[in-house]
Amino acid sequence: EAQVTQNPRYLITVTGKKLTVTCSQNMNHEYMSWYRQDPGLGLRQIYYSMNVEVTDKGDVPEGYKVSRKEKRNFPLILESPSPNQTSLYFCASSGQDSAYEQYFGPGTRLTVT
Amino acid sequence: GQNIDQPTEMTATEGAIVQINCTYQTSGFNGLFWYQQHAGEAPTFLSYNVLDGLEEKGRFSSFLSRSKGYSYLLLKELQMKDSASYLCAVRDGDSGYALNFGKGTSLLVTP
Repeated sequence: EAQVTQNPRYLITVTGKKLTVTCSQNMNHEYMSWYRQDPGLGLRQIYYSMNVEVTDKGDVPEGYKVSRKEKRNFPLILESPSPNQTSLYFCASSGQDSAYEQYFGPGTRLTVT
Repeated sequence: GQNIDQPTEMTATEGAIVQINCTYQTSGFNGLFWYQQHAGEAPTFLSYNVLDGLEEKGRFSSFLSRSKGYSYLLLKELQMKDSASYLCAVRDGDSGYALNFGKGTSLLVTP
């Protein structure tokens, strides 16, 4: 089954404790992206990757890092989480074979206290 | 950059028809998507328009006018399960795969 997976689905952590949210897709998609979604603000792009070892900032990259060492994986790293990073996070992927439709992971609800 | 505007909230009755509008401004239009998102869940793809006109898919249709920077999503025979947020997203030709999303329209279907 074609899918995008994220882990963990839910996470409560404390300020300053480094964390990683994993994202993996099995569709051989070139493009992967991270979004955060907050009430009243919609989906905002954090980082994206056009292919392996190619990443770039989206609209709200501050406080986040990413890496793309393999085509299927695109982890999101919060080196020192802060309460304003409490949000719902989505990973998405897209490829030429999907007419550029973006497939979304199930989401990760992060709470930073 | 892009400005994407859609109404914040709409209410409609079960069995009725509702039209959700989306206007956008972009420097290099290269496709418009509509997604459905139930609360706390991932967005799911509904439709894609790149040329002017109407695309129909079952109870859902999407229309695009590139000259007017305008699209709408039409939902017919509304069902209670259609209560969700509907996201309009535009792909800019200069940005490759990247999509810019509107803030979404929250649709409530009432009995």
